[in-house]
Amino acid sequence: DAGVTQSPTHLIKTRGQHVTLRCSPISGHKSVSWYQQVLGQGPQFIFQYYEKEERGRGNFPDRFSARQFPNYSSELNVNALLLGDSALYLCASSAGRDSSTYNSPLHFGNGTRLTVT
Amino acid sequence: AQTVTQSQPEMSVQEAETVTLSCTYDTSESDYYLFWYKQPPSRQMILVIRQEAYKQQNATENRFSVNFQKAAKSFSLKISDSQLGDAAMYFCALTSGTYKYIFGTGTRLKVLA
Repeated sequence: DAGVTQSPTHLIKTRGQHVTLRCSPISGHKSVSWYQQVLGQGPQFIFQYYEKEERGRGNFPDRFSARQFPNYSSELNVNALLLGDSALYLCASSAGRDSSTYNSPLHFGNGTRLTVT
Repeated sequence: AQTVTQSQPEMSVQEAETVTLSCTYDTSESDYYLFWYKQPPSRQMILVIRQEAYKQQNATENRFSVNFQKAAKSFSLKISDSQLGDAAMYFCALTSGTYKYIFGTGTRLKVLA
């Protein structure tokens, strides 16, 4: 089975531009989460979507938005890019709505490396 | 607020030896889950081991085991018989029933041949 796939793998944008990152979860997984990983830090939670509804949001500005489609794939959008948005953006999927399901931890993709110049 | 602290930015271990990575956490929740993830240069976060807080028994997955000290809020990872492929960043993570994981800053593990 294919794992979590993210596209593109790398992206270079200019300050003020807009970016869309895409994620396809593992087949059968209905929950998708997005994390931002700045160089030298651990991942920071941005969003969680389950069954196309937002279930959680981290401490990120409104420039960050996301959505989940009927096939459970997801997009992360970032408007008005800042230099500080440069990071690795990780998508993760899971089978359940929450991590209390023992056999439903997060499964991560390889990430999208975003560089803002 | 929930926090996860990894106080060892970098650790080294000889191949075939044992190494322990430290993690402390803080949460006011009574029900929570702890994880260790490995992130090799490929960037993908790979689940190494997980522990439910309500279970007293320490989790074990082959060469990987944890020492879960609930009262001390400590969750260390022991890697036995270290292999070159174990070299990576290791992140400790905490969640209390949602998919908002709180990650530590990571420990870079170097395995020396």
